[in-house]
Amino acid sequence: DADVTQTPRNRITKTGKRIMLECSQTKGHDRMYWYRQDPGLGLRLIYYSFDVKDINKGEISDGYSVSRQAQAKFSLSLESAIPNQTALYFCATSTGGLADNEQFFGPGTRLTVL
Amino acid sequence: AQTVTQSQPEMSVQEAETVTLSCTYDTSESDYYLFWYKQPPSRQMILVIRQEAYKQQNATENRFSVNFQKAAKSFSLKISDSQLGDAAMYFCAYRGGINTGTASKLTFGTGTRLQVTL
Repeated sequence: DADVTQTPRNRITKTGKRIMLECSQTKGHDRMYWYRQDPGLGLRLIYYSFDVKDINKGEISDGYSVSRQAQAKFSLSLESAIPNQTALYFCATSTGGLADNEQFFGPGTRLTVL
Repeated sequence: AQTVTQSQPEMSVQEAETVTLSCTYDTSESDYYLFWYKQPPSRQMILVIRQEAYKQQNATENRFSVNFQKAAKSFSLKISDSQLGDAAMYFCAYRGGINTGTASKLTFGTGTRLQVTL
C-alpha cells in the first residue's frame, strides 16, 4: 500500500463549485504539505502544516483553505473553484526535526475546472 | 527569497550516453539542502539525489551524480549510461537548513524534460 495517498486522482468540476482534495499518510510524519504544479512553473507551495494545530500559508494560498483533521490527514479545499485553479495537486509529508531531510509525495490529483 | 533556475526546458540523450542537467539557485542562507526529483509520465515525484550544502563531496547514487559548486550556486545532475526509463521531467529543488526560515519548505525550479532516444 502507498504511504501517501490522495483522493480523488482525477476530478473535473465547474466554476463556482466547492471541492475538497484529501491526503492521507501512513508514514507517521508530523509535517504535511500541499503543492500545485503548472506546466512551465514547477511546483509551488500552497499550505503546510507542522502538526495538527500548526497551519501555515505558502506562496500561493489565495483561493485555497486547508484542514488538518488528524496527524495523518490533510485536506485542501477550493471554496469556489475557478478555471485558473486547473492544475496537478500534490500532497507531501516529512518527519520534521533533525531527521527532516526528505519530502515524500503522493501520486497527485489532476483537477480540471471548466 | 530563494529562487531555483533550470534554464534547459528540454534535453535529449541517446541511450547509454551521459547527459548533464543544469540548475542554479540563489540564497543568502549558508545552511541548506538541494535535491533532484524525477517525475515520469506516471506523475509520481521521485527523489533522485540530495546534497547537503555543508558537504564538499558531491553526492552520488548509482548512475546519478551531482556537481555541486557552492560558490557559483550551481547544482547540476549528471546521468551516466542513460536508459529509456530515465525519460522524465527532472526538477531541482532547494530547502533551507533546520534553523533557517525556509526549513522544510521546498522551492522548485521549472523543470527539464529529458528524452532518451535509441
